Amino acid sequence: DIVMTQSPLSLPVTPGEPASISCRSSQSLLHANGYTYLEWYLQKPGQSPQLLIYLGSERASGVPDRFSGSGSGTDFTLKISRVEADDVGLYYCMQARQTPPTFGQGTKLEIK
Amino acid sequence: HITLKESGPTLVRPTQTLTLTCTFSGFSLNTRGMGVGWIRQTPGKALEWLTLIYWDDDKRYRSSLENRLTITKDTSRNQVVLTMTNMDPVDTATYYCVHSSYASGKYFDFWGQGTLVSVST
Repeated sequence: DIVMTQSPLSLPVTPGEPASISCRSSQSLLHANGYTYLEWYLQKPGQSPQLLIYLGSERASGVPDRFSGSGSGTDFTLKISRVEADDVGLYYCMQARQTPPTFGQGTKLEIK
Repeated sequence: HITLKESGPTLVRPTQTLTLTCTFSGFSLNTRGMGVGWIRQTPGKALEWLTLIYWDDDKRYRSSLENRLTITKDTSRNQVVLTMTNMDPVDTATYYCVHSSYASGKYFDFWGQGTLVSVST
């Protein structure tokens, strides 16, 4: 199985400041079709996870443009340009390049 | 507007079989490029994919659990059913039903609210 490793695991952020989460995969997530199968999810407190980013850098419907995904191969980053109080929760990266899809450990974003 | 909702027991005994039903709306599982699956979240918040059934009835299972899992669909009732045999306390988790638009590159774009299943004597 492809192993997904996130850092940091805890991320305290001041509102209005940027935030960044790193995700590394044990194998390349680039498919022969040219697409990179890396997704980001946010699980707000008491809620189900929700899709933020797919195909490495595409924002899902309704996701604010404060959120952006980047990276290639085995190294990926989720950036929040200006953190808001509503952004608190657990952030997960997930690879869909191979079955089984596998998730990172999760990064807990909290407000300072 | 796609919605999914899980239903089933909240408590099962060790060695028993768990049966969970996902009832969905807003799409048809006859539509090419779509699927419905199950993901569980442990009490420690780790997410683990279990299985996925595709529009054409193709199925995929987590290899380590393949001998315990069965997924089926009833497109006329808009339901997907997960069965997991020989339940153990380590299977205690919140089980989520998820929609997949895999053909569009979005693997789990809609999630149910989740159902907490405890395995205990």
